[in-house]
Amino acid sequence: NAGVTQTPKFRVLKTGQSMTLLCAQDMNHEYMYWYRQDPGMGLRLIHYSVGEGTTAKGEVPDGYNVSRLKKQNFLLGLESAAPSQTSVYFCASSYNSRVYTGELFFGEGSRLTVL
Amino acid sequence: KQEVTQIPAALSVPEGENLVLNCSFTDSAIYNLQWFRQDPGKGLTSLLLIQSSQREQTSGRLNASLDKSSGRSTLYIAASQPGDSATYLCAVPPLGGNQFYFGTGTSLTVIP
Repeated sequence: NAGVTQTPKFRVLKTGQSMTLLCAQDMNHEYMYWYRQDPGMGLRLIHYSVGEGTTAKGEVPDGYNVSRLKKQNFLLGLESAAPSQTSVYFCASSYNSRVYTGELFFGEGSRLTVL
Repeated sequence: KQEVTQIPAALSVPEGENLVLNCSFTDSAIYNLQWFRQDPGKGLTSLLLIQSSQREQTSGRLNASLDKSSGRSTLYIAASQPGDSATYLCAVPPLGGNQFYFGTGTSLTVIP
């Protein structure tokens, strides 16, 4: 059982380049999340999705775009990378309903460096 | 907005000692509270999930308690081992919300 899988795990970009991080989950979860983790800042929510075809902004959405075309996949895009986006990115998913929020599962992370 | 605090930020103990990690939150209207472990360079691994109606959960040497009225949770680790060295984070999803709020974690070092 793979759980939450992120690709790529490492990437180095030059300022202004674009890239997409892919998150895939095989637990049939409705909710998916993208976080970034920086030293001293903790985990900060970038964007999230409450179901296929939906996305919403989190705490730090600027400079990022997301798409949820299929329930199992949640893509995070950087259109024009900046050094401030150097970080470790985590995808997570959870089972949620109108009256219940379930356990949160994380991927292994994607380490992005922007030069 | 929910505020989640974890004190201390870092803790160092000798092997074999029992220890308690703390998590405080400002809004008691939560679905549950989850404790995670994060090893350096790795993702977050779920340790325990306590539903809002529960008082505690146990898994092996770990015991987590929840007191919603006071906005507190504790993670008790019995007979600590060097392999327990990691950062421990807590997270809460508020009622009616769509996201989880995280503490900044407690970095635990168990000295052999």
